[in-house]
Amino acid sequence: DIQMTQSPSSLSASVGDRVIITCRASQRISTSLNWYQHKPGKAPKLLIYGASSVQSGVPPRFSGSGSGTDFTLTINTLQPEDLATYYCQQSYTIPTFGGGTRVEIK
Amino acid sequence: EVQLVESGGGLVQPGGSLSLSCVASGFTFSDYYMDWVRQAPGKGLEWVARIRQRVKSYTTEYAASVKGRFTISRDDSRKSVYVQMNSLKTEDTAVYYCVRAADSGALFDYWGQGTLVTVSS
Repeated sequence: DIQMTQSPSSLSASVGDRVIITCRASQRISTSLNWYQHKPGKAPKLLIYGASSVQSGVPPRFSGSGSGTDFTLTINTLQPEDLATYYCQQSYTIPTFGGGTRVEIK
Repeated sequence: EVQLVESGGGLVQPGGSLSLSCVASGFTFSDYYMDWVRQAPGKGLEWVARIRQRVKSYTTEYAASVKGRFTISRDDSRKSVYVQMNSLKTEDTAVYYCVRAADSGALFDYWGQGTLVTVSS
């Protein structure tokens, strides 16, 4: 199985900050990488697919980049409603998720 | 509007069995892969199982942690996907999400609200 490693595991940032979350795959996965936002008590939500395509309805402050083994999710101008855990997921082979990054608001 | 509604969760003893169901609406169910993803308490998301469409012969895939114990199935006439869980272990305790896997499984674009399975004596 392809292992996905996210960093950091948690972070605290202020409203208006830029937040960057990284995800590394244990082998090359081209751009077969998705990002999800998961708020407590809710269903996870697809934010980014194919490493950089923004899902319909997702605010433009969310963006993704990368290919091969290294990927990033950027949240520009962090908002209070962005409090959540973010997961990367590879779809190159049988799906696997990263361990998650908990984003807290200072 | 796409909706996925899970049912069947509950408390079961170790070694027991449980079956989860998911009813879909708002899209052509038979066209899509369907998956189950779970989240154990305090843990991250873990993919569990997948079933492909009729044109792909309803082939299935399983995570190593559940292979041989869980069986995924679907009934396109009922727009439903199921997972039969046998020989349950305490580590199977989790919220189980029914998920639509679009683009031939490349992305999980719709998720149900989840159903809680607790394996405990």
